[in-house]
Amino acid sequence: AQSVTQPDIHITVSEGASLELRCNYSYGATPYLFWYVQSPGQGLQLLLKYFSGDTLVQGIKGFEAEFKRSQSSFNLRKPSVHWSDAAEYFCAVGSSTNDYKLSFGAGTTVTVRA
Amino acid sequence: DVKVTQSSRYLVKRTGEKVFLECVQDMDHENMFWYRQDPGLGLRLIYFSYDVKMKEKGDIPEGYSVSREKKERFSLILESASTNQTSMYLCASSLPVLTDTQYFGPGTRLTVL
Repeated sequence: AQSVTQPDIHITVSEGASLELRCNYSYGATPYLFWYVQSPGQGLQLLLKYFSGDTLVQGIKGFEAEFKRSQSSFNLRKPSVHWSDAAEYFCAVGSSTNDYKLSFGAGTTVTVRA
Repeated sequence: DVKVTQSSRYLVKRTGEKVFLECVQDMDHENMFWYRQDPGLGLRLIYFSYDVKMKEKGDIPEGYSVSREKKERFSLILESASTNQTSMYLCASSLPVLTDTQYFGPGTRLTVL
């Protein structure tokens, strides 16, 4: 069965500093990987996704993620965070053998300090 | 612009009540999903529908049922609400393509007293 681990429950970062959120997945074949963001009081919004091709994926809001098969990871990065990046971030994995269902990680809450 | 709406943002019910959560999408999507979101557990899939009147159980279907009579509308039903069903409920929709984005509604925070 597919699964996702986000090792960091909470991260605090200064405005303007870089941010990296970790995501590890467990799945035998090539996974389909997603990062979603949930701002306070909102639903989830897709930041980026990977399913094939270039392992460095660019997303919205200046985010990028790198797929590393050897490490079973799909870490999310942003070079310089803004106060509006304070939110909860979810990594998710899907597979072609599991219909359209996604498995989500527990989430990482990001706090941005001035 | 893509839109998924949920009937209520906040709902308070009593133990044993029958509860209906409604979700409507305006994108003509075939797939619709109901998730439950709890702190430290992320999102867990309750039920999934891939067409009108078609449904599949997700990871935690116990205590829930669903109805999809029209393509745009997907309802989650708690037959007899219990306190352990106090949670945030999120609806999503997508095209029938795994790589497609799931579009989420704003969520319904349900409290069962």
